Amino acid sequence: EVHLVESGGGLAQPGRSLTLSCAASGFNFDDFAMHWVRQAPGKGLEWLSGISWNSVGIEYADSVEGRFTISRDNAKRSLFLQLNSLRYDDTAVYYCVKDVATQANGEGYFSNWGQGTMVTVST
Amino acid sequence: SYVLTQPPSVTVAPGQTATITCGGNNIESKSVHWYQQKPGQAPVLVVFVDSDRASGIPDRFSGSNSGNTATLTISSVEAGDEADYYCHVWHSRDDYPKTVFGGGTKVTVL
Repeated sequence: EVHLVESGGGLAQPGRSLTLSCAASGFNFDDFAMHWVRQAPGKGLEWLSGISWNSVGIEYADSVEGRFTISRDNAKRSLFLQLNSLRYDDTAVYYCVKDVATQANGEGYFSNWGQGTMVTVST
Repeated sequence: SYVLTQPPSVTVAPGQTATITCGGNNIESKSVHWYQQKPGQAPVLVVFVDSDRASGIPDRFSGSNSGNTATLTISSVEAGDEADYYCHVWHSRDDYPKTVFGGGTKVTVL
């Protein structure tokens, strides 16, 4: 069974940085692209970034390009998202998501989601 | 950028049919995926590539895609179907792949 467990969320001040992690199990992690999707309180889903199986292909939403950095460590079966220059509107639940494809370029869709980690940006 | 438009809410009586639309320019040229999100839970894949049901999803759920509208249909609605539903597509902007979700539709079962 696929399991995705996010961690690293919490309270952060505006302008600071935070790194989210996702531990994957139950599938061959290095065979699939992975993504981060967030959901602000009471709002809809927003895709942030995707990374191919071998980290060669990386895509970002316009809203976070240049501020957020996605990465993965296949040996540790882990996905990461570094959030820099945090803003109040970055407050959201951040989900780690498994693709069905190897590339993060639209060949697939989102088959499994973690339970999410909450990031709150506040003074 | 590509915009997906969903009705904010749909209300249906138990046993009836709920129809959730997702509008987008020439959406029939894209593969549409649907996710269900119950309160306090993570989204779950329901339908992929327009009309294929995900594993474990009852056949009461079906999808279609034509023209400028994709549709998720829930037949014989049950109380447990009450949730938010999101459509999802990939598109290309300046040759870069981007993905977008609809705004979500809250299905309320009377």
